[in-house]
Amino acid sequence: QKEVEQNSGPLSVPEGAIASLNCTYSDRGSQSFFWYRQYSGKSPELIMSIYSNGDKEDGRFTAQLNKASQYVSLLIRDSQPSDSATYLCAVNLSNDYKLSFGAGTTVTVRA
Amino acid sequence: DGGITQSPKYLFRKEGQNVTLSCEQNLNHDAMYWYRQDPGQGLRLIYYSQIVNDFQKGDIAEGYSVSREKKESFPLTVTSAQKNPTAFYLCASSIASGAYNEQFFGPGTRLTVL
Repeated sequence: QKEVEQNSGPLSVPEGAIASLNCTYSDRGSQSFFWYRQYSGKSPELIMSIYSNGDKEDGRFTAQLNKASQYVSLLIRDSQPSDSATYLCAVNLSNDYKLSFGAGTTVTVRA
Repeated sequence: DGGITQSPKYLFRKEGQNVTLSCEQNLNHDAMYWYRQDPGQGLRLIYYSQIVNDFQKGDIAEGYSVSREKKESFPLTVTSAQKNPTAFYLCASSIASGAYNEQFFGPGTRLTVL
């Protein structure tokens, strides 16, 4: 089992819709969770960090964490063409300084 | 401007050559990291350093070497022992190492073996 798994893409959504991205992780002791956005040919950009169960909102982005289910998600509301990118889920595994990354989900927002 | 710089942006290497990728940060971060990204895959950790003059191997350290002589700099050498070095190399830093420290990435170096 991979340490961090993301739902396979690509995900295509119409402009203005909600894009929902999912991520599961294997280490029950993981404490911190991050979402990065990566445009084609560019480096990852941190867009959300979440450490406690529940929802965290930042503009059009909402991260949701459920440690009991070992599940973290990212919602993008009112999707825009500029949101078209690959989204990487990263998890800080317990007792470790490293981040483990999922393979990413590519989102395409169609006008 | 605070940030992380990597150079060169593109690098071409002949078989059997060693090459060094530069990573500099002026964020006053203690921890620095090197990742490799292959097409369609997530990032894999090569080496990381929590403090000056100290570094640890990541998941795929074979064929790579690093140094951390200054807080601001964490160069990565890709040696001829690395069998498949063509990839996108990303340097990152965080304030300190630990569970809650956010990592920020430089722009990356794209290495191609000719």
